[in-house]
Amino acid sequence: EDQVTQSPEALRLQEGESSSLNCSYTVSGLRGLFWYRQDPGKGPEFLFTLYSAGEEKEKERLKATLTKKESFLHITAPKPEDSATYLCAVQARGSTLGRLYFGRGTQLTVWP
Amino acid sequence: NAGVTQTPKFRVLKTGQSMTLLCAQDMNHEYMYWYRQDPGMGLRLIHYSVGEGTTAKGEVPDGYNVSRLKKQNFLLGLESAAPSQTSVYFCASSSALNQPQHFGDGTRLSIL
Repeated sequence: EDQVTQSPEALRLQEGESSSLNCSYTVSGLRGLFWYRQDPGKGPEFLFTLYSAGEEKEKERLKATLTKKESFLHITAPKPEDSATYLCAVQARGSTLGRLYFGRGTQLTVWP
Repeated sequence: NAGVTQTPKFRVLKTGQSMTLLCAQDMNHEYMYWYRQDPGMGLRLIHYSVGEGTTAKGEVPDGYNVSRLKKQNFLLGLESAAPSQTSVYFCASSSALNQPQHFGDGTRLSIL
């Protein structure tokens, strides 16, 4: 069965301390991998889509990369406002209706 | 930009009561989705729709019904609420299968 595993479950960083979040997946053919940010009491906010191994996307302090089995979300010099839960989701190529399989998320806390 | 709007934001029901959650999107998206989010679990798909008048079951459809009479609206119904349906419900929409899904801010539902 298609699965998405995110690690670590929680991460505490000091402001400016760079790190990476991991999303490993097993799907029978990847159509796309999506990263979202979720703040408390809010819905997931779209960050990036990656479609093929080797692809990279950047936005401000965030950079997402993709291999055939996993994706990393690199956070460079984070700030307290980057604190949120980061969700990874994959879509299988065989899905005719766009179903996303979500991981449980990584809760990131950045302290001053 | 309103994007995806969910109403109500909060609701408390008694076991056995019924209610309807409304999702409205103003992006002219064909695809719409209902998810539930529970502590310690990833978002799970309840039902989805690929266009006006069409719906399909997702991963956890039991106890729920949906309707999509207008392209911009997707309704989720609970006919006889049960405590196990206490959750946060999210609606999402997308323009195409491989495009990102955009989420509303959720409905927090408690069933006593």
